[in-house]
Amino acid sequence: GAGVSQSPSNKVTEKGKDVELRCDPISGHTALYWYRQSLGQGLEFLIYFQGNSAPDKSGLPSDRFSAERTGGSVSTLTIQRTQQEDSAVYLCASRRELGTTGVYGYTFGSGTRLTVV
Amino acid sequence: QKEVEQNSGPLSVPEGAIASLNCTYSDRGSQSFFWYRQYSGKSPELIMSIYSNGDKEDGRFTAQLNKASQYVSLLIRDSQPSDSATYLCAVNLRGGSNYKLTFGKGTLLTVNP
Repeated sequence: GAGVSQSPSNKVTEKGKDVELRCDPISGHTALYWYRQSLGQGLEFLIYFQGNSAPDKSGLPSDRFSAERTGGSVSTLTIQRTQQEDSAVYLCASRRELGTTGVYGYTFGSGTRLTVV
Repeated sequence: QKEVEQNSGPLSVPEGAIASLNCTYSDRGSQSFFWYRQYSGKSPELIMSIYSNGDKEDGRFTAQLNKASQYVSLLIRDSQPSDSATYLCAVNLRGGSNYKLTFGKGTLLTVNP
């Protein structure tokens, strides 16, 4: 597609339930990031996938959070046993290379607004 | 030291003025620097990228990079009310064998008509 697609755009869930958030990156983009943005806050890095390399999971806040990327394309972020503090906008970004200098441009999806009640 | 720091603002300028947004970063080996604009309730939008020391101009926007001082800034000339948004500085910081795009907390800019 033309942009990074995220679904659902909004999700309301009960505390303790599991949720899955989906990101469909731009075709051909080599890397995929997940970020979390709480109300009025900056972007908090969660996880980063680059090709077939092991993902950088250093930003995942707890073992309730996991993510996978199938076939180097679509990614799913799963939050188990959701808590109220998980309420935030979850943003996905994909990255392509620009030319031969190795520098990268990042494009964000429109995000999933998660509300845990 | 935080990895990417921005003057937290909020910053308020009159229409037509120059808005100056500043950012410092911790990793001297960083090579790629970005400014994103985020309107309330929307996702970040890339407005400038810069990789070499000096200035890079794009329309009313100028990014300035000084790697020796680990400093990157964004100037917005002839500010318009439509420029009112949160501006996020992002830096590709080294994390192990990878580079990780790390954001500052953002500066809220308000341009008053």
